[in-house]
Amino acid sequence: RKEVEQDPGPFNVPEGATVAFNCTYSNSASQSFFWYRQDCRKEPKLLMSVYSSGNEDGRFTAQLNRASQYISLLIRDSKLSDSATYLCVVNKMDSSYKLIFGSGTRLLVRP
Amino acid sequence: DAGVIQSPRHEVTEMGQEVTLRCKPISGHDYLFWYRQTMMRGLELLIYFNNNVPIDDSGMPEDRFSAKMPNASFSTLKIQPSEPRDSAVYFCASSRTGLTKNIQYFGAGTRLSVL
Repeated sequence: RKEVEQDPGPFNVPEGATVAFNCTYSNSASQSFFWYRQDCRKEPKLLMSVYSSGNEDGRFTAQLNRASQYISLLIRDSKLSDSATYLCVVNKMDSSYKLIFGSGTRLLVRP
Repeated sequence: DAGVIQSPRHEVTEMGQEVTLRCKPISGHDYLFWYRQTMMRGLELLIYFNNNVPIDDSGMPEDRFSAKMPNASFSTLKIQPSEPRDSAVYFCASSRTGLTKNIQYFGAGTRLSVL
């Protein structure tokens, strides 16, 4: 089983749609959780950290379910510019600095 | 502030040649990471340094790969000899002790093609 698993997609949605991604992780001792965004042929960039209580940043909402070991990302009112690959990221048990990246979920927002 | 700077951005070389990738972390960051990204394996951590000291190199694929960090502002990843299966995008990232949630910032990457 992969340490971090994501549905690769692609998710193809119209502008204005709401879309949700889920991610599961295997290490119950993980403490740090993130969503990174990666545009085609670019570097990963932090989208948002994920906190136990859930957090929101504009149109983006992240949730953490420790009991079920999954993380979610909700994007409301999708924009064309949201088209990218979204990487779920979790730290390894033996180091808070060692991050495990999921393979990513690709999102395509169409006009 | 300048972000993480990597060079070269693109490298094309022939099998058997030595390849050196370079990275300058964000000033003041004391952690530096080298990653490799391929379609098949995704983004993998190769090695990371703290205060210029290698902490974990368990992700380095084999002895052909080596990494150094001679000072706080410079690191290299060397492949000698290179092989076609080394073709990938290599990213460098940096972070700072105490930074919220240990967030890592990535450079633009070096796209390596070994022919």
